[in-house]
Amino acid sequence: DAGVTQSPTHLIKTRGQQVTLRCSPKSGHDTVSWYQQALGQGPQFIFQYYEEEERQRGNFPDRFSGHQFPNYSSELNVNALLLGDSALYLCASSLVSYEQYFGPGTRLTVT
Amino acid sequence: KQEVTQIPAALSVPEGENLVLNCSFTDSAIYNLQWFRQDPGKGLTSLLLIQSSQREQTSGRLNASLDKSSGRSTLYIAASQPGDSATYLCALEYGNKLVFGAGTILRVKS
Repeated sequence: DAGVTQSPTHLIKTRGQQVTLRCSPKSGHDTVSWYQQALGQGPQFIFQYYEEEERQRGNFPDRFSGHQFPNYSSELNVNALLLGDSALYLCASSLVSYEQYFGPGTRLTVT
Repeated sequence: KQEVTQIPAALSVPEGENLVLNCSFTDSAIYNLQWFRQDPGKGLTSLLLIQSSQREQTSGRLNASLDKSSGRSTLYIAASQPGDSATYLCALEYGNKLVFGAGTILRVKS
């Protein structure tokens, strides 16, 4: 049984560009959450998707947007990249209100 | 607003020692508490999940406790090994999201 998968593993972008990160949830899971982890800090909640709708959002600007597809996979889009967006982006999947399982993350570097 | 604090920020111990990692939180209105392990540059591995109605969970050499009234959780690691070296994060399920502490960096010396 495949766990949570994320792509790409690493990504380098320039300030002002746009990026799309992808996540496939663990088999049977219907909820996907995204987190941003800056170096030396704990992950910060970006948003959660359930039934293709954004269910809850953290304190992130509108430059961060997402989507969930009918097969429960999800994308995170970030527009107008800033240097401060450099971080490890983590995807987690779960059944609603149950234990969350995390993927390996995507390392985004903005230069 | 829920705030999570982990103490100590870093810990270095010789192999074989028993150790305790601490996690405190400000709002007791939580659903679950999870302890995670994170190796450098990697994703999170769930170690233990304590549901809000439970007081502790055990898995192998790991034992986690939860005291909602005092806003505290502890992770106890018995007979530490060099392979236990990693960052340990506690996270509270608060609303529909996980709120994390900054983590404790553990180094076990052989």
